[in-house]
Amino acid sequence: DTGVSQDPRHKITKRGQNVTFRCDPISEHNRLYWYRQTLGQGPEFLTYFQNEAQLEKSRLLSDRFSAERPKGSFSTLEIQRTEQGDSAMYLCASSLMGDTEAFFGQGTRLTVV
Amino acid sequence: GQQLNQSPQSMFIQEGEDVSMNCTSSSIFNTWLWYKQDPGEGPVLLIALYKAGELTSNGRLTAQFGITRKDSFLNISASIPSDVGIYFCAGPSSNTGKLIFGQGTTLQVKP
Repeated sequence: DTGVSQDPRHKITKRGQNVTFRCDPISEHNRLYWYRQTLGQGPEFLTYFQNEAQLEKSRLLSDRFSAERPKGSFSTLEIQRTEQGDSAMYLCASSLMGDTEAFFGQGTRLTVV
Repeated sequence: GQQLNQSPQSMFIQEGEDVSMNCTSSSIFNTWLWYKQDPGEGPVLLIALYKAGELTSNGRLTAQFGITRKDSFLNISASIPSDVGIYFCAGPSSNTGKLIFGQGTTLQVKP
């Protein structure tokens, strides 16, 4: 297993466009997390899945954001009508249920122009 | 809510020097994690601590879980240029595994 994989690594989009990111977790991990990181800050929690169920969403996750994990494997994070404030690094992490050690992907760097 | 405060914010040291950084919280954590992040990359897990007073090493890195369970320390011995990066402490805010992160300590090493 090569670890958590995210695609794309970089995305530049115009304000108002929709974007979708993908995360492939470590295969046996049933928990999957999305975080957002802005410059000079630590990652901030957005949402998490246990298998295919989305069990928690942060207040940071506005209604323009939606995440899915349809078969309990890969996950997608979509941002609709992007705004300049959405520019950030979007990180995906996975872990085993009951295990606090989370492993992160390389991130997707979003720039909204 | 829970917050983690890291100090120092940044460090600029000479290659070969030892480094020490810490992380404090106003609330108790049952686990402490230390991550390193290189520019443009995701955080990489360095050390996990599970028990108050625990001292754990990973190569030149040593981390300690504070006795009060409200702090943790990370030491790097004999620093080398590839130690450059941002070091984050993190702890689970609930039994969901959701992590709270500190603001990070930026380390620069001068060859």
